[in-house]
Amino acid sequence: GESVGLHLPTLSVQEGDNSIINCAYSNSASDYFIWYKQESGKGPQFIIDIRSNMDKRQGQRVTVLLNKTVKHLSLQIAATQPGDSAVYFCAQAGSNDYKLSFGAGTTVTVRA
Amino acid sequence: KAGVTQTPRYLIKTRGQQVTLSCSPISGHRSVSWYQQTPGQGLQFLFEYFSETQRNKGNFPGRFSGRQFSNSRSEMNVSTLELGDSALYLCASKRDRVNTEAFFGQGTRLTVV
Repeated sequence: GESVGLHLPTLSVQEGDNSIINCAYSNSASDYFIWYKQESGKGPQFIIDIRSNMDKRQGQRVTVLLNKTVKHLSLQIAATQPGDSAVYFCAQAGSNDYKLSFGAGTTVTVRA
Repeated sequence: KAGVTQTPRYLIKTRGQQVTLSCSPISGHRSVSWYQQTPGQGLQFLFEYFSETQRNKGNFPGRFSGRQFSNSRSEMNVSTLELGDSALYLCASKRDRVNTEAFFGQGTRLTVV
């Protein structure tokens, strides 16, 4: 079956540094790859997505990279801030089946 | 604009009982999906509704069911509750099916004792 997973369950980052969160996936048939952020006591919040025909997409302070050759997705956060502390999930979806399949999540802690 | 509203926020039920959870999507959004979140299994897709029809279903037993009303509000029902059903149940709304940007509610924390 399909699976979306993350390399590391936790990541500790110094405030101001850049963060890189990684995700490995197994279902190469997905058309979309998405990153969500979940803060304590809240539901997941959409960060950015990337279509399978792209390899890079930039947003505000975030960049998503997709390497389909090795089935790897990453989220880069520039100048990490305390408000970036959260659990980050990668997810994937198809264009004829839009359900989100989530990975296990990486807990990011920002050190002051 | 108002976000996705889920009620109740917390619920404690006894094994064997049934429960109904409610979700009001963002105004104008017609797609509503439900997810179960547990520490062991993570976020798992339950089902998706669009235009009052179930469009997709995850790998959950028939005890889990749902419906969507004409105003896009959705309910999910779990019958014959088991201890393993204890979880955070999240509702997500999208304007339509093709969007990847889903807006999640804060969830309903269900505890089965």
